[in-house]
Amino acid sequence: DVKVTQSSRYLVKRTGEKVFLECVQDMDHENMFWYRQDPGLGLRLIYFSYDVKMKEKGDIPEGYSVSREKKERFSLILESASTNQTSMYLCASSLYRNQPQHFGDGTRLSIL
Amino acid sequence: GQQLNQSPQSMFIQEGEDVSMNCTSSSIFNTWLWYKQDPGEGPVLLIALYKAGELTSNGRLTAQFGITRKDSFLNISASIPSDVGIYFCAGSNTGNQFYFGTGTSLTVIP
Repeated sequence: DVKVTQSSRYLVKRTGEKVFLECVQDMDHENMFWYRQDPGLGLRLIYFSYDVKMKEKGDIPEGYSVSREKKERFSLILESASTNQTSMYLCASSLYRNQPQHFGDGTRLSIL
Repeated sequence: GQQLNQSPQSMFIQEGEDVSMNCTSSSIFNTWLWYKQDPGEGPVLLIALYKAGELTSNGRLTAQFGITRKDSFLNISASIPSDVGIYFCAGSNTGNQFYFGTGTSLTVIP
């Protein structure tokens, strides 16, 4: 079974801080994704990566960046956290681009 | 980005009842997925559909890929309390990205 592990279940940070969310997958998947989930809006894609050191913007990349130095690890970075980035963040991975994605359990991030 | 229209937004049903929900898109999709999210967890894949008209079952769950390729349907028969959660549809046309619906929240009353 695919295991996607997000480093924190809950995180509280202050406005202006630089925040790192980490995600690791153990199935040698090429593709990794970061989403945010908000009530009534479903899942919205922030960034994705098809290979090491490669990244592409999703639908809502503003205020975020990502890093993929190793195949199994995909990090989401909030450069200067703001209150409107309070949300549930979900990481996912897939073997091929058109294959279903496997999700981690999410990080609930609160920015005070 | 594209969003899928998923309905209903929420459902409150009695245990044992059947459930139907659907998802529509303004674009044609090549793949439809249905996920379930339990409280405090990430979405888990229920059913994947790859062909227009395809009907696929997973236990008490049945999903269909609409023949117009712009919609998909999920049915749950004889609901039980553990069916509680949020159900998401997702569709893809290019394979580059999946677009997700806004979710249907299901509550099952024992």
